Amino acid sequence: DAGVTQSPTHLIKTRGQQVTLRCSPISGHKSVSWYQQVLGQGPQFIFQYYEKEERGRGNFPDRFSARQFPNYSSELNVNALLLGDSALYLCASSSDRGLMNSPLHFGNGTRLTVT
Amino acid sequence: AQSVTQLDSQVPVFEEAPVELRCNYSSSVSVYLFWYVQYPNQGLQLLLKYLSGSTLVKGINGFEAEFNKSQTSFHLRKPSVHISDTAEYFCAVSEMDSNYQLIWGAGTKLIIKP
Repeated sequence: DAGVTQSPTHLIKTRGQQVTLRCSPISGHKSVSWYQQVLGQGPQFIFQYYEKEERGRGNFPDRFSARQFPNYSSELNVNALLLGDSALYLCASSSDRGLMNSPLHFGNGTRLTVT
Repeated sequence: AQSVTQLDSQVPVFEEAPVELRCNYSSSVSVYLFWYVQYPNQGLQLLLKYLSGSTLVKGINGFEAEFNKSQTSFHLRKPSVHISDTAEYFCAVSEMDSNYQLIWGAGTKLIIKP
């Protein structure tokens, strides 16, 4: 079975531009979460979507938005890019909303560089 | 506020030697605890988790961790490391009343010396 897939793998953007990152969850998983991992730090929670609705949001500005489609794939959008948005963006899927019975399965991430 | 501290950014150890990677957390409520591993150029993979019950948890690849509530710690151990264990290890917690997000430590790079 295919794991969590993310596209693109690498991306270079200029300050002020907008970017869209994509994620396909494991088949049968209804929950998608997004994390930002800045170099040298642990991941930071951005969003969780479950059954196409936002179920949780981390401490990120409104420039960050996401959505989940009927097939449970997801997009993360970042507007007005700043240099500080340079990071590895990780997508994770799980079969349920809670982490107790359904652990997160991570993709390999999208490396975003803002110049 | 909830936080996770991994005290060592890097841990060098000789092959076949034992290793302990330290993790401490702070939270005002009960938590679930996790260790993830990130091999070079790969995504994060779950090593083990503590939800309830026995405080000693066994995971994949011979790793185990012990939950110590009084010391708010969840240290990861392996009795004998192999070169293939070279990776970055992350400790993470999730509060039971909002168990949809993980709060992560900064990670510990395990460096295996031949």
